[in-house]
Amino acid sequence: QQKVQQSPESLTVSEGAMASLNCTFSDGTSNNFRWYRQHSAKGLEVLVSIFSDGEKEEGRFTAHLNRANLHVSLHIREPQPSDSAVYLCAVNTNKVVFGTGTRLQVLP
Amino acid sequence: EAAVTQSPRSKVAVTGGKVTLSCHQTNNHDYMYWYRQDTGHGLRLIHYSYVADSTEKGDIPDGYKASRPSQENFSLILELASLSQTAVYFCASKDSYEQYFGPGTRLTVL
Repeated sequence: QQKVQQSPESLTVSEGAMASLNCTFSDGTSNNFRWYRQHSAKGLEVLVSIFSDGEKEEGRFTAHLNRANLHVSLHIREPQPSDSAVYLCAVNTNKVVFGTGTRLQVLP
Repeated sequence: EAAVTQSPRSKVAVTGGKVTLSCHQTNNHDYMYWYRQDTGHGLRLIHYSYVADSTEKGDIPDGYKASRPSQENFSLILELASLSQTAVYFCASKDSYEQYFGPGTRLTVL
């Protein structure tokens, strides 16, 4: 059964500094990965979907996938206080499995 | 306009009472899902459905029932609510690639 772990649990960065979030998974056969952002008491917003090894950029958000290392990361360029939220990694094998989330705080 | 809506947005229930959470989608998607979110656990799948009048168990179905009376509507039913079911519940619909989530329902069981 797919297991998805995220690190760190929480992260504080200053506005404008790069923020990097990590996600590891146990089953490398998946080719369907997503990063979501969840603002407090709100629903989930898809940031980046990535389906093959390498890099996928969506605006200030870049995902890096390395299935051999069972790892997918999210890098946020020039983070802003409005990016403060919980970030969830999701891996879709035969069903979607979510990580436990990273709480990001961006200080002005 | 939001394509996946949930009602109520928040609810307080008493232990042993019946709770029904409703989800409505206008995406015309076949697949719909119910998840719960607890601190430190991410989202966990409770039930899902791929066609009206049919539901399937997810990873944590115990204590929950689901109903899909139409393509647009998917309900989650707690027949006997328990303290451990306090959580935020998310509904989602899905096309071939993406899941689209509702805003969530915060359920507190006292």
